[in-house]
Amino acid sequence: DTAVSQTPKYLVTQMGNDKSIKCEQNLGHDTMYWYKQDSKKFLKIMFSYNNKELIINETVPNRFSPKSPDKAHLNLHINSLELGDSAVYFCASSQTGVRTEAFFGQGTRLTVV
Amino acid sequence: AQSVTQLGSHVSVSEGALVLLRCNYSSSVPPYLFWYVQYPNQGLQLLLKYTSAATLVKGINGFEAEFKKSETSFHLTKPSAHMSDAAEYFCAVSDLGTDKLIFGTGTRLQVFP
Repeated sequence: DTAVSQTPKYLVTQMGNDKSIKCEQNLGHDTMYWYKQDSKKFLKIMFSYNNKELIINETVPNRFSPKSPDKAHLNLHINSLELGDSAVYFCASSQTGVRTEAFFGQGTRLTVV
Repeated sequence: AQSVTQLGSHVSVSEGALVLLRCNYSSSVPPYLFWYVQYPNQGLQLLLKYTSAATLVKGINGFEAEFKKSETSFHLTKPSAHMSDAAEYFCAVSDLGTDKLIFGTGTRLQVFP
């Protein structure tokens, strides 16, 4: 009964390719996020969606395009992958509100070669 | 803008010793603060959160944190470290405008036998 699940867990691909990461939450939350964790473990938000609507887009290159078909799903598509995109990408979800914590998926380790 | 600063990127303790991980926040209004733990190759798990109800917050796995407004701190403590506590710990603050979590740079806790 995984609360926030991401697929795949590992992704190795060549520069220039296009790839997608999928995320699903079964917590009934209305807000979902994508975070990027770099090699130094620094976590930074990329996007957030509330009820399928884009709320936050943190100056991420437009090669990254999130898509939310419904409020339980938030996918991340990346075009023309670059070496610098190598990182761990985390999906998370929460109820709307500043007091509520986010629940995180297990992460997708993306390696671009 | 709100932010958190974690002092010490690495902390090493002996098993059974006190654990103290430091977090200071910057906020012009009462903040909502969180501590998360990340075990190797896993996602983030909430340890505890402060939402202004009580200044001493108890979390999972024997951890607790005290909110001190005068010191703008929210340090994480555990009286007796266990080997299984070895992980990366993140302090975070909830952004009042967007609800997104803003993370500190993390502290790696090592526990020696």
